[in-house]
Amino acid sequence: NAGVTQTPKFQVLKTGQSMTLQCAQDMNHEYMSWYRQDPGMGLRLIHYSVGAGITDQGEVPNGYNVSRSTTEDFPLRLLSAAPSQTSVYFCASSYSRSGPNSPLHFGNGTRLTVT
Amino acid sequence: GDSVTQMEGPVTLSEEAFLTINCTYTATGYPSLFWYVQYPGEGLQLLLKATKADDKGSNKGFEATYRKETTSFHLEKGSVQVSDSAVYFCALRGGSARQLTFGSGTQLTVLP
Repeated sequence: NAGVTQTPKFQVLKTGQSMTLQCAQDMNHEYMSWYRQDPGMGLRLIHYSVGAGITDQGEVPNGYNVSRSTTEDFPLRLLSAAPSQTSVYFCASSYSRSGPNSPLHFGNGTRLTVT
Repeated sequence: GDSVTQMEGPVTLSEEAFLTINCTYTATGYPSLFWYVQYPGEGLQLLLKATKADDKGSNKGFEATYRKETTSFHLEKGSVQVSDSAVYFCALRGGSARQLTFGSGTQLTVLP
């Protein structure tokens, strides 16, 4: 019973490098999302998806791309990493297309440091 | 836009003490309100929720009542345990929004 799986757990990047944070869920959830968590700021939504082939921007989308080619996977791409993207990233999913009214299931996070 | 304000932390209590974590919100319409908990090294988990005014959410001894007149959703527990040590997040979903708006989180430490 894996739930929401995020990889890697930790990552260090140099400014300008690119990388993809992986997120997979095995609960057949339609809604998936990416948040970043920064001290004193709670969680802020980066991008979300209400189903395969459908994505939309959240509160802080700049510098990030997403795609949703399957129901299970929702990768987050950093095209050119910046120190301001140092954060803890959480992927979350829920059953309903209406998203947050059904409980969000979170992965354990990816801690990213950009030097 | 929507916003959530939580009391500043950290909060340190002795075991069996009474806990209150304040949460107030600003939203248009009739939002749904949530408390999530984050244990060390883990993602967030839903603790409880309330979807309309005067609803009381409860779980694991925690309670919160949706007060529309004061735009509040304070979290309470009568007797905390060491295992309750975690970060607690208040959140709301407003109207037809497809996202949650989170507060900044409150770190709770319970000492034996």
